[in-house]
Amino acid sequence: DQQVKQNSPSLSVQEGRISILNCDYTNSMFDYFLWYKKYPAEGPTFLISISSIKDKNEDGRFTVFLNKSAKHLSLHIVPSQPGDSAVYFCAASDTGFQKLVFGTGTRLLVSP
Amino acid sequence: DAGVTQSPTHLIKTRGQQVTLRCSPKSGHDTVSWYQQALGQGPQFIFQYYEEEERQRGNFPDRFSGHQFPNYSSELNVNALLLGDSALYLCASSSGQGESSPLHFGNGTRLTVT
Repeated sequence: DQQVKQNSPSLSVQEGRISILNCDYTNSMFDYFLWYKKYPAEGPTFLISISSIKDKNEDGRFTVFLNKSAKHLSLHIVPSQPGDSAVYFCAASDTGFQKLVFGTGTRLLVSP
Repeated sequence: DAGVTQSPTHLIKTRGQQVTLRCSPKSGHDTVSWYQQALGQGPQFIFQYYEEEERQRGNFPDRFSGHQFPNYSSELNVNALLLGDSALYLCASSSGQGESSPLHFGNGTRLTVT
């Protein structure tokens, strides 16, 4: 039973445009949501998070939106840069930032 | 400032054997979690260690066990290896039990079971 779903395995975007990565979840007990970025041969790197009491959180070029009624969150990257090319994992937890449940990832390719 | 370090980087074992993976947390962190990432999947939580005790556990059989040492480093042991145990094993560390502290991941150990 996949509690966190990333239905788009890949996304291609041109440099300077917006990248939108989507994530759906089924467990209404999740109260923290996180995005991690992973380059090949490296571990996941924390990007941005949002708690269930908020609907938006921004950090520089990265913004995460949470729609609790739809059990949906999205990560917006504006403007996209070639260095953003990586696999992006959505993760959720009902115990703060611990015991994360990950999606299967979306591979983002940003072309110059 | 050293991040999370894991050893070895790669490992090849035969079905039925036992394996031990090692992890040193990021400086200042005292909580270690282990995740298994199978090919094409997201990381899956195995267990978390804090104050040398297993605090939380995911849906993994007892063949998977761990240990945390007084210096906060940790080991993951897997007994009676199965082909399906082939995966990238990720160690992550955080501060306290990390309710508000995002996990910092190491680069992982790639285990291949033949």
